Amino acid sequence: AQTVTQSQPEMSVQEAETVTLSCTYDTSENNYYLFWYKQPPSRQMILVIRQEAYKQQNATENRFSVNFQKAAKSFSLKISDSQLGDTAMYFCAFYGGATNKLIFGTGTLLAVQP
Amino acid sequence: GAVVSQHPSWVICKSGTSVKIECRSLDFQATTMFWYRQFPKQSLMLMATSNEGSKATYEQGVEKDKFLINHASLTLSTLTVTSAHPEDSSFYICSANSRRGSMNTEAFFGQGTRLTVV
Repeated sequence: AQTVTQSQPEMSVQEAETVTLSCTYDTSENNYYLFWYKQPPSRQMILVIRQEAYKQQNATENRFSVNFQKAAKSFSLKISDSQLGDTAMYFCAFYGGATNKLIFGTGTLLAVQP
Repeated sequence: GAVVSQHPSWVICKSGTSVKIECRSLDFQATTMFWYRQFPKQSLMLMATSNEGSKATYEQGVEKDKFLINHASLTLSTLTVTSAHPEDSSFYICSANSRRGSMNTEAFFGQGTRLTVV
């Protein structure tokens, strides 16, 4: 069974600084997708970035980028130039195999300090 | 991106009554919808997978007779919490997968429903 682990329950970063959130996963699948979702205080789930496992190039979306290490089964999220609006819970998620389900990590609560 | 609308955003009901939560995909057809439950400061816990035109698939430990799911069309799934009790109070979130191309692997989430049973 697939599992997703986020080992940082809480993190804090100063405004304009860079922060990296960690995520590891376990799977026997070769083709799968990885996601980072943001859940701000409004609790609306927002897709931040996605990565297809067959792509070697790391995904980038403006200030958000990932470090995808397939062999190590690691998928970290880097937020550059952190903004107050980045304060949220961040969930790493895995999708793949026959289950047709998103598997979520336990989340990392990120606080951006002014 | 695609839009999923969930209604109501919040609801308060008396213990013993039933509450229906709707999840609609507004601009795409969703063959599959998912229902999650989320406790404060915790992750999303998948309750069931809702498939259009067929019975929902429930996760282990989720009472299917208590949490009734109906997916009658490609744009609407409903979750009914029957005979609600205070311990059912939680945040419920739906998501939908689009049928279109690469979006088959992207889930779009509703805004969630905060249920309080008094």
